[in-house]
Amino acid sequence: QSALTQPASVSGSPGQSITISCTGTSSDVGGYNYVSWYQQHPGKAPKLMIYDVSDRPSGVSNRFSGSKSGNTASLTISGLQAEDEADYYCSSYTTSSTLVVFGGGTKLTVL
Amino acid sequence: QVQLVQSGAEVKKPGASVKVSCKASGYTFASYGISWVRQAPGQGLEWMGWISAYNGNTNFAQNLQGRVTMTTDTSTSTAYMELRSLRSDDTAMYYCARWGLPYAFDIWGQGTVVTVSS
Repeated sequence: QSALTQPASVSGSPGQSITISCTGTSSDVGGYNYVSWYQQHPGKAPKLMIYDVSDRPSGVSNRFSGSKSGNTASLTISGLQAEDEADYYCSSYTTSSTLVVFGGGTKLTVL
Repeated sequence: QVQLVQSGAEVKKPGASVKVSCKASGYTFASYGISWVRQAPGQGLEWMGWISAYNGNTNFAQNLQGRVTMTTDTSTSTAYMELRSLRSDDTAMYYCARWGLPYAFDIWGQGTVVTVSS
């Protein structure tokens, strides 16, 4: 069982917006602005899409945005494109015995 | 360009050890840490641990304590992860990733497949 809770799957049609949630506790998501999101296509290494809750690395499309409310962080993808179909993972810094926790991952299907 | 290049695939028998390398280039190695993340077939990402390339401090996932060692060689900008007493459920893709400020995995290696089979 993963430390952070994500929905197993979400779907949307091209052009639509979707949101993926990531729920933790006050020891991780709720306590720090160190939530990050990763995109992983089949057979590829994960790619950083969002860091520090809502910041985008250089080169990542502004269709990807992040936010946080309490113990839940969210990744929103607007203007869905076929290439967005992938697995998405959230991660957070934590004050538990480990430094980092991951969510279980969400499979995004573009219909 | 900034990159992490990992060593090649490994096949090991149960009970053996494996050591995976991760060579960094394009940035000041000692300015960041290196985390190791693994992914079993069809499963999610699992954080294994972290090592500071600056001073060698480490932090490991509880379920791997006592079986995993992480080291760095600053002279070659290379990080190493050794996992001992391998079991079949250690079969996975193993990734190294740069981790520091920001607290995120911003650069990933290409992955190393480790297969544990008798």
